[in-house]
This record gives sequence, C-alpha cells and structure tokens, in this order.
Amino acid sequence: KNEVEQSPQNLTAQEGEFITINCSYSVGISALHWLQQHPGGGIVSLFMLSSGKKKHGRLIATINIQEKHSSLHITASHPRDSAVYICAVRAGNQFYFGTGTSLTVIP
Amino acid sequence: DGGITQSPKYLFRKEGQNVTLSCEQNLNHDAMYWYRQDPGQGLRLIYYSQIVNDFQKGDIAEGYSVSREKKESFPLTVTSAQKNPTAFYLCASSIAQYNEQFFGPGTRLTVL
Repeated sequence: KNEVEQSPQNLTAQEGEFITINCSYSVGISALHWLQQHPGGGIVSLFMLSSGKKKHGRLIATINIQEKHSSLHITASHPRDSAVYICAVRAGNQFYFGTGTSLTVIP
Repeated sequence: DGGITQSPKYLFRKEGQNVTLSCEQNLNHDAMYWYRQDPGQGLRLIYYSQIVNDFQKGDIAEGYSVSREKKESFPLTVTSAQKNPTAFYLCASSIAQYNEQFFGPGTRLTVL
C-alpha cells in the first residue's frame, strides 16, 4: 500500500502542450513537495506546499487538503522539461514519496 | 556555491565488500538523510541525522551504517550484510528535520 499515488506513471507530450501531473495521498500531512529528477539522477525541489497554490515560471502547483490531492501543471511545455516528477508528503516525522511520473516532451 | 556533493557518481564493488559513499554539504544544515532509489519504487529512507553525533534508522536500515562526526559530512557504508546493494543512493539535507530537503547528485552503486 502506497501512501502517495501519482498519475500518470508515464506521459508523452508535444512541445507547447499544457501538462498536468496528479498526486493523491492517504495520510494527514503538514506539507507536500514536488521534486524534479533529471535523467542523470539529480533531484531538485520545485515546490513545498501546505495550502493553496504556488507558481514559479511555467510551473504551477496546487493542493486541496480536504481532498488529499495535489496537481503540478506545466504550461507551454518544452523538451527541457523532460524529467521524472516526484510527489512527496511529510506526515509527522515521516516523508513518503510517490514513484514518480516520467515526462517526455517531444519537439 | 552552496550545495551537496556526493562522490563518486558511479561505484562498482565485488560482492562481499563493504563500500562507503560520501556526502558533504556546505549549506550549514543540521539535518541530513540517505535514501535509496530502485526502479519503479519511491525513495526509501535508510538513515537520517538531526544533529552531529546523532542518527536514527529509517525504513530500510538493515545492512547499512552511518556516522555523523561533523556537521558537513554524513557518509554511508553499505556492508556485506545488505542483500541487494545495487541501487541509486541519494543524500539530502535540510535546515532542520522537517524542512525542505536539498538533494545531492546521487551515487549509482553496482555490486558485481
């Protein structure tokens, strides 16, 4: 049983498309993180959310605490956005990680 | 530049040998973590340390050991007792235990 579920597992998009990645969780959380993992393996933190919505450039992250759901949106997608996107939640003193969504953006 | 470094990026070892993975940070973070990543699975916590000279087991600590003698350094030893050591290992740090984590570039360990 995974405390964090992401969908889709894999996603292929044409350059310029609007992309949505979803994350659902089953535990009470104090914060949710969206991470980006590049093909070389390094991980970058994109957002940390506890409520509402955050925007950084072409990336938007939203969270609905009541529904235990978060979405990561990428507007005007670009091939350099190709990466694995990981949702992680903090519940008490534990972190739980999703298995990731592999995104490929085709020129 | 502040950040987290892990070395080496790729590591090959023979079965039965212990191996130590390096993790250094110059972010002045108190908390440090080691995760293991396997294909198709989320990151799993091996060990974490909230402060120098203190560390706690994570979900999959068996077959691993750590030390935290300096704030900047949190090396992980993969011992011969670890049944399936081949994996991608990620080190992370945060200002304090429950804050946003910053990740290193990872070490890919292959045991032959």
